[in-house]
Parts: sequence; structure tokens; C-alpha cells
Amino acid sequence: NAGVMQNPRHLVRRRGQEARLRCSPMKGHSHVYWYRQLPEEGLKFMVYLQKENIIDESGMPKERFSAEFPKEGPSILRIQQVVRGDSAAYFCASSPSPIPNEQFFGPGTRLTVL
Amino acid sequence: GQQVMQIPQYQHVQEGEDFTTYCNSSTTLSNIQWYKQRPGGHPVFLIQLVKSGEVKKQKRLTFQFGEAKKNSSLHITATQTTDVGTYFCAGNTGTASKLTFGTGTRLQVTL
Repeated sequence: NAGVMQNPRHLVRRRGQEARLRCSPMKGHSHVYWYRQLPEEGLKFMVYLQKENIIDESGMPKERFSAEFPKEGPSILRIQQVVRGDSAAYFCASSPSPIPNEQFFGPGTRLTVL
Repeated sequence: GQQVMQIPQYQHVQEGEDFTTYCNSSTTLSNIQWYKQRPGGHPVFLIQLVKSGEVKKQKRLTFQFGEAKKNSSLHITATQTTDVGTYFCAGNTGTASKLTFGTGTRLQVTL
């Protein structure tokens, strides 16, 4: 049973470009969470999605950031017009049911904005 | 909003010494989880505590949930170099659909 998959593992973008991060949850998991981690800091919740629905996006910046989890395919976190401050590790986690269950984390995508 | 703080921020111990990290929430929690993140890695679930005053053990690790359900601790007995990493607590208030992660405690163990 494969774990949570994220790709790419490393992504380099220039300021103003778009970054698209993908997350495939574990088989049987329909709950996906995205977190951002700045160097030497903790994880900050961004968004919680179920298939085709955004449940909680209270941690998402209002502009430039969007997330989706379509009926078919991976969950996507999209960052438009990236800025240097977007450089961070972005982790996706999945669970078979809503919190308070254990979350299984993917390996993360390290985004560097030049 | 809810805040979860951990102390210490960093601790360096000699192998064989004990280690404790403390987690404090600004609000009452319905449950608390603990995760470990190795350098360059991703968080890995360790345990979940739900009941007030609950204590759970995993080999050399002892986890405790406070009576008021606003604090928690993780104690490692006789640390080993494999314990190196950052330990995060993460709380849920029960009404929210998300986990709020603590600030983390980075543990360094040397021989």
C-alpha cells in the first residue's frame, strides 16, 4: 500500500511564475490537508479538502493561492505569481476519516523562488 | 486564534540522558497528537491522546495529556542517536476541522 505521494519533490520558480504542487493520498483516503513549513519552523495549516469539496481554507492566503481535489486525480495546490516569501516546504497529509484521526504525511515539495 | 507553544525550542543531550518536551495550548483541546520529523524528512505520527490525564507509553517514550486538556508532554528515557529530530504536538479543539501544530522542539543527541 503506497504512502502519500507528492510531486515534484523539488520545484524552482522565478518570481511571477506559477507553482503547481500535486498530492495523491493513500488508497482509501478521501481527506486531504495541506501544510506549509518555513525553514526551522512548525507546520502551518493551509486547507482541508474532501473529494470535490473545500472544507476549511482558513489557513490559505486570500490571494494567489488555490487548492482543489477533483473526483479523479490528485489534489492540487496552485500558487500564482510566486514571490520569494512563498519559498517553503509544502506538505500534504491524508486520512481515511476526519480529524481526530492520524494523518499520514507525504514527503513534501520544497519550493524555491528565485 | 488557537496557539500551541512548545518548550524548549531546542535541546542538546548526551546519549543516555533523558529528554522532555512540553506543549501548551491557549484553548482546551479535545485530543492531542504527537509527530516526529527527522531532519529533511516529513512528520510521522507517534500517538494520539484523548482523555484528561491520559498517559501512554511506547517503549522509551511516555506521553501525557494534562487534566485540563490544555497541555501535554513527551518524555524520552535514555535517549539514543536515533531519537534525533523535531517533535511536534498537534491539537484539535473538536469543533475545528484542522490540527494546530505546536512550534516544535528540536532534539540533538550526541555520543
